[in-house]
Amino acid sequence: GAGVSQTPSNKVTEKGKYVELRCDPISGHTALYWYRQSLGQGPEFLIYFQGTGAADDSGLPNDRFFAVRPEGSVSTLKIQRTERGDSAVYLCASSFTGLTEAFFGQGTRLTVV
Amino acid sequence: DAKTTQPPSMDCAEGRAANLPCNHSTISGNEYVYWYRQIHSQGPQYIIHGLKNNETNEMASLIITEDRKSSTLILPHATLRDTAVYYCIVRVIEGRRALTFGSGTRLQVQP
Repeated sequence: GAGVSQTPSNKVTEKGKYVELRCDPISGHTALYWYRQSLGQGPEFLIYFQGTGAADDSGLPNDRFFAVRPEGSVSTLKIQRTERGDSAVYLCASSFTGLTEAFFGQGTRLTVV
Repeated sequence: DAKTTQPPSMDCAEGRAANLPCNHSTISGNEYVYWYRQIHSQGPQYIIHGLKNNETNEMASLIITEDRKSSTLILPHATLRDTAVYYCIVRVIEGRRALTFGSGTRLQVQP
């Protein structure tokens, strides 16, 4: 596809469950970013990949959050033992090198009930 | 990365220029000014960026003061589709860091 694709677009899960959110970046983009956005706030940085490795994971709030990018393309954000406070829109972005502009997906709206 | 300050909201009449200010008084010499916008229910969209010279593209113009402590994003002829939250971000290029978003300015273009 032409843009960053995130699936699912909406996810409702029960408190305590495990969820996976997927991001398909623009083909050829080496840099990939995950953000989360709560209502009325700007996006909050979670983790940044350069290729397959996490170059900066300082934004992950705790050890329930983990992300992988095993082949340097698709990335999965994994949240264990979800809590109601994890409810937010999770945004993924990619850029060609990490030095150029970032393109964002439409986000996954996660609701923990 | 340096902190930015933006007004929380602004109005603009359709067809008029929208001038969105940003203060970044602690900016360092190796930090660029980026602007993104976020239309309701969409991901942020890149608009423009610059270091110290004024920049223009098909979407907007960026005016950076000579001391680089503030900048203005100009949408020359605002339309209803420009209604969005506009984020001014200061970012170090070296080290390939991620963007750090603040609260932005909510621009409402009025018909």
